[in-house]
Amino acid sequence: DADVTQTPRNRITKTGKRIMLECSQTKGHDRMYWYRQDPGLGLRLIYYSFDVKDINKGEISDGYSVSRQAQAKFSLSLESAIPNQTALYFCATSDTTGARDEQFFGPGTRLTVL
Amino acid sequence: KQEVTQIPAALSVPEGENLVLNCSFTDSAIYNLQWFRQDPGKGLTSLLLIQSSQREQTSGRLNASLDKSSGRSTLYIAASQPGDSATYLCAGEAAGNKLTFGGGTRVLVKP
Repeated sequence: DADVTQTPRNRITKTGKRIMLECSQTKGHDRMYWYRQDPGLGLRLIYYSFDVKDINKGEISDGYSVSRQAQAKFSLSLESAIPNQTALYFCATSDTTGARDEQFFGPGTRLTVL
Repeated sequence: KQEVTQIPAALSVPEGENLVLNCSFTDSAIYNLQWFRQDPGKGLTSLLLIQSSQREQTSGRLNASLDKSSGRSTLYIAASQPGDSATYLCAGEAAGNKLTFGGGTRVLVKP
């Protein structure tokens, strides 16, 4: 089973709709992240959470909100979707108890806003 | 603000040739640099992580170097195979465990 899972894997929605992307992890990591990927732009950080009570904005948080329901779950919401939020969204986790701070990624959610 | 650049954006080589992928970053105060592989429609797979105190890391046919003074990292893939075809992304970690990604290099290894 995958260590980091994302649901749904694909979503098509209309402008103005509220949608939620979910991320779950079984790695026991304390830190979780949401990124979006646009063609040729690499990945950009939307929000990150160092533990359940610690939520931080990333580089491009406008138009998004998050919820850390438990150590293993981190959800990303688009309150009112717009077409330029069409992108590939990735969730990631990391564990800072070791020395490496390596990040592990989920399979991604492809979101299309019409 | 950290900026990470990968040039070229795409690369095509015949099978067996060594691959050299470049990554440059503007802020030398990085904690580590991580190389990822991304296959179409899939997530990112971590290949190598080089901590700031290290100069290189090796895993099988892969070798990554880090030169903080010049702001560069290079990923070498020896004896390339068609299965190495993918997009390769580098990312520098700054304070707070936040990664800044380059735009990626799309690699095609021709049989």
